Amino acid sequence: AQSVTQPDIHITVSEGASLELRCNYSYGATPYLFWYVQSPGQGLQLLLKYFSGDTLVQGIKGFEAEFKRSQSSFNLRKPSVHWSDAAEYFCAVAFNDMRFGAGTRLTVKP
Amino acid sequence: NAGVTQTPKFQVLKTGQSMTLQCAQDMNHNSMYWYRQDPGMGLRLIYYSASEGTTDKGEVPNGYNVSRLNKREFSLRLESAAPSQTSVYFCASSEGSSSGRLNEQFFGPGTRLTVL
Repeated sequence: AQSVTQPDIHITVSEGASLELRCNYSYGATPYLFWYVQSPGQGLQLLLKYFSGDTLVQGIKGFEAEFKRSQSSFNLRKPSVHWSDAAEYFCAVAFNDMRFGAGTRLTVKP
Repeated sequence: NAGVTQTPKFQVLKTGQSMTLQCAQDMNHNSMYWYRQDPGMGLRLIYYSASEGTTDKGEVPNGYNVSRLNKREFSLRLESAAPSQTSVYFCASSEGSSSGRLNEQFFGPGTRLTVL
């Protein structure tokens, strides 16, 4: 069955530390891939997307993601986290339609 | 541009009551969507509309109806609310019609609905 999985429900990192959020998908072919961020009480905002080409994608707010076909993964990274990055992050995949992962909540310690 | 707007922001209903959630976008997008967000389940698609005059069921359509009033507006109606419909509801829009579901979606701020 087609699915998208975010294995980590909640992650806590210290401000200034690096961050990696995991996303795995299960589809017969490579779907379109997205990362969205949701701040408390807000709607979702697109961070970055992958359709084809270079497997390392740069997004807004200093985020990047790497598509790895062999691992069916699209992990989100940031080299140095800021307190304002505390939010919920959703991976989404689009094949016939768009499906969202369950989300990873990021807490940033001072 | 306001983007995607939703009204109301908050609503409390009693079981069996009806209500309509309103959504409008000013980006001239063809495709519009209604999602519900529940803890630990991400966003689940209720209904979508690929173009004015067309609507299709998503993953969790039971208990809901929709109307694509014009290109800008897409409303979601609960005819007889149930406690299981307590959730946060998001409207979204995207470019494209037939391929719209594969494109970046722009989201409204959400409506937090509680059914007692």
